[in-house]
Amino acid sequence: AQSVTQLGSHVSVSEGALVLLRCNYSSSVPPYLFWYVQYPNQGLQLLLKYTTGATLVKGINGFEAEFKKSETSFHLTKPSAHMSDAAEYFCAVTKTGNQFYFGTGTSLTVIP
Amino acid sequence: GAGVSQSPSNKVTEKGKDVELRCDPISGHTALYWYRQSLGQGLEFLIYFQGNSAPDKSGLPSDRFSAERTGGSVSTLTIQRTQQEDSAVYLCASSSQGAVGQPQHFGDGTRLSIL
Repeated sequence: AQSVTQLGSHVSVSEGALVLLRCNYSSSVPPYLFWYVQYPNQGLQLLLKYTTGATLVKGINGFEAEFKKSETSFHLTKPSAHMSDAAEYFCAVTKTGNQFYFGTGTSLTVIP
Repeated sequence: GAGVSQSPSNKVTEKGKDVELRCDPISGHTALYWYRQSLGQGLEFLIYFQGNSAPDKSGLPSDRFSAERTGGSVSTLTIQRTQQEDSAVYLCASSSQGAVGQPQHFGDGTRLSIL
């Protein structure tokens, strides 16, 4: 079975600072990779996804992620944090699209 | 709207009662998923429907949980004889299966509280 590890259940950054949220997956075959964001009392919204092609993927709200096969990682970054980025972030993987595996989430706090 | 719709948004019930949670997926989406999200936890997969195929029920935690999808559209998740540990947010998602790697689109969830 696949698994997804998100290092750091809570991350705090200052407004304007770099955001780095870590995601590692275990899979013998490169899967399809996703980052979702969840605001309070809402469902998950897709930030970005990697399927094939360019390993640096750009998403909404200035976020991007880089697929590194050698490191089995798909870390999420944003150059400059905004107060509105405070939310819960989930990394997810699928190989077939039948079943998705989610990490336990990282809560991002942005300090003014 | 055109998104995934879940109802009710909140449900409070007494232990031992049955509950039904509803999900209206995005029109045309053939895949539908149910997840459970407990406080401070990630998403726990419950069940997956794809078109007319037999559902993948491998994530259902006990036989008190069941789900159906009528006409390939609306889905209902039923929890019988609810227990306090069933308290959680239940999320529904749908996706288009036109190609592998299609993302899931989530509803806002049903927050279930068992007294």
